[in-house]
Amino acid sequence: EVQLVESGGGLVQPGGSLRLSCAASGFTVSSNYMSWVRQAPGKGLEWVSVIYSGGSTYYADSVKGRFTISRDNSKNTLYLQMNSLRAEDTAVYYCARVEWFGELSSYFDYWGQGTLVTVSS
Amino acid sequence: EIVLTQSPATLSLSPGERATLSCRASQSVSSYLAWYQQKPGQAPRLLIYDASNRATGIPARFSGSGSGTDFTLTISSLEPEDFAVYYCQQRSNWPGWTFGQGTKVEIK
Repeated sequence: EVQLVESGGGLVQPGGSLRLSCAASGFTVSSNYMSWVRQAPGKGLEWVSVIYSGGSTYYADSVKGRFTISRDNSKNTLYLQMNSLRAEDTAVYYCARVEWFGELSSYFDYWGQGTLVTVSS
Repeated sequence: EIVLTQSPATLSLSPGERATLSCRASQSVSSYLAWYQQKPGQAPRLLIYDASNRATGIPARFSGSGSGTDFTLTISSLEPEDFAVYYCQQRSNWPGWTFGQGTKVEIK
């Protein structure tokens, strides 16, 4: 059974840092494309970052230069290092597996339960 | 950048009724569009991909249609567990993904 479990969220001051983890089971993280998607309180979904199976990484413009996606193959875990956090980064952060049928045909087929990040002084 | 616009924002219906949700893209996305369901406090769940293919385990009362810029998610007969928020999504601005703003299906 595929399962994704996020952790690491919490309250952090503006300008601070936080590292989120997403432990996967039932499949191999390094063989899949993995992504982070966030949802601000009461708002819609926003894609944040993706790491390809080959290791390439990409980011939304809103987090580029501040967030870093990575994975630990030995732990089958995905990470999101978040630096220089802002109030507008406050959201529930979900990790998700990308179901890849092709360059344009790619969707999020499994999601974690999410972890809340609150940026506030 | 391709923008997805969902309508209506809220749909008030009774159990057993048919729900029709719309998603319009600002330019053609061919058939590369997905629908997700999200219940309060839960993660989104993939319902439909490539406009009309049901994801694994999704009941047959959910169907998707459309291509190009206009897409529809239809729930043929609403069950109590179907009251939720629905999002459309497509791959755009390579290598990113974008979502519509959501349609809430609420009990009338």
